[in-house]
Amino acid sequence: LAKTTQPISMDSYEGQEVNITCSHNNIATNDYITWYQQFPSQGPRFIIQGYKTKVTNEVASLFIPADRKSSTLSLPRVSLSDTAVYYCLVGDYGNNRLAFGKGNQVVVIP
Amino acid sequence: NAGVTQTPKFQVLKTGQSMTLQCAQDMNHNSMYWYRQDPGMGLRLIYYSASEGTTDKGEVPNGYNVSRLNKREFSLRLESAAPSQTSVYFCASRPHGLKYGYTFGSGTRLTVV
Repeated sequence: LAKTTQPISMDSYEGQEVNITCSHNNIATNDYITWYQQFPSQGPRFIIQGYKTKVTNEVASLFIPADRKSSTLSLPRVSLSDTAVYYCLVGDYGNNRLAFGKGNQVVVIP
Repeated sequence: NAGVTQTPKFQVLKTGQSMTLQCAQDMNHNSMYWYRQDPGMGLRLIYYSASEGTTDKGEVPNGYNVSRLNKREFSLRLESAAPSQTSVYFCASRPHGLKYGYTFGSGTRLTVV
């Protein structure tokens, strides 16, 4: 299983773009990169998923370099409601044993 | 609303008591999972069921049993609760396929005293 490394926490001001990084040096060929968001007292929520290059949806963008050993989740113009823990998950869902790391606590400051 | 429903939301048990956490999904997903989350530990997989009729151990299965009752329901049982099982428990499901992500329930906060 690919191990992921994320910063423990980060702060950002409201209205700024936030970039959250994840390292996954031993990513395998079949592995996808998925990001989840978790608010207090709630289950994690799917944000975005990618395999390579760039993926964008209505809430975020995911940048994956050619070697796929890292990825960056970009949240444009964050608001206070984006304060949450963000998890990077890497793996082949077919093995059913994907591990969540400790995540990155993002705090948005007014 | 479609999704994953967990019951109960909160529970307090005495050491040695037993209980079953219930989980149901209405999205016709094949796979279902039970995770526990402790402060500063992220989510750890307890058991999973890749399809109806099958169950397998995850990272921290000791002290738990599961039942995949049908395609919709996946229950987690604590036979003899211990204080170390105080945690927030999340159920999740996902459809078949390599790239599909999880849908999580809202969790059960369990305290064992």
